[in-house]
Amino acid sequence: DAGVIQSPRHEVTEMGQEVTLRCKPISGHNSLFWYRQTMMRGLELLIYFNNNVPIDDSGMPEDRFSAKMPNASFSTLKIQPSEPRDSAVYFCASRRTSGGAYNEQFFGPGTRLTVL
Amino acid sequence: SQQGEEDPQALSIQEGENATMNCSYKTSINNLQWYRQNSGRGLVHLILIRSNEREKHSGRLRVTLDTSKKSSSLLITASRAADTASYFCATDAKDNFNKFYFGSGTKLNVKP
Repeated sequence: DAGVIQSPRHEVTEMGQEVTLRCKPISGHNSLFWYRQTMMRGLELLIYFNNNVPIDDSGMPEDRFSAKMPNASFSTLKIQPSEPRDSAVYFCASRRTSGGAYNEQFFGPGTRLTVL
Repeated sequence: SQQGEEDPQALSIQEGENATMNCSYKTSINNLQWYRQNSGRGLVHLILIRSNEREKHSGRLRVTLDTSKKSSSLLITASRAADTASYFCATDAKDNFNKFYFGSGTKLNVKP
């Protein structure tokens, strides 16, 4: 199994540009999570999906952020327009929740975003 | 907030010594998990302990959970330089096992 796949691994963009981060969860996992990690705020849950449906987006910082999961094997996190304070490492994680509360989350390698 | 808090924030030990990290949280949980993050990499799951368990072992790792004190500890025995990483605890919420809260982590440095 290839694990959770994220692309790109690094993204440098200018303020105001649109940024799209991509994630492919582990096959058979039915929950997908987007996190953001910064030195100041640590690891924050932005949004998560169950069976491709967004369940909780209370962690999404503002309307500039949006996430989609069109099918079980693909999700995107979009920032439009991007700002320097969005610079962070963005992680995608997936999990099989059919077993209830006792399954671990598997994390992707992350996308390091720098907004100039 | 449910967020777990690790203690200490940083720990430096010699190879071969044991390393103990602590985590405290605020509300009832279904499970608590420990993760490791090497510099510049993603998080790797180490161990999960359920709320009805008190201790769990995995190789050189020992995790304890005290739900009355809302705290957990991670012990790494006979540490190695390769154990150098940040360690995070993650808790869910009793009414929502899909929502994980991560602490700020303990940065462990194992000197060869």
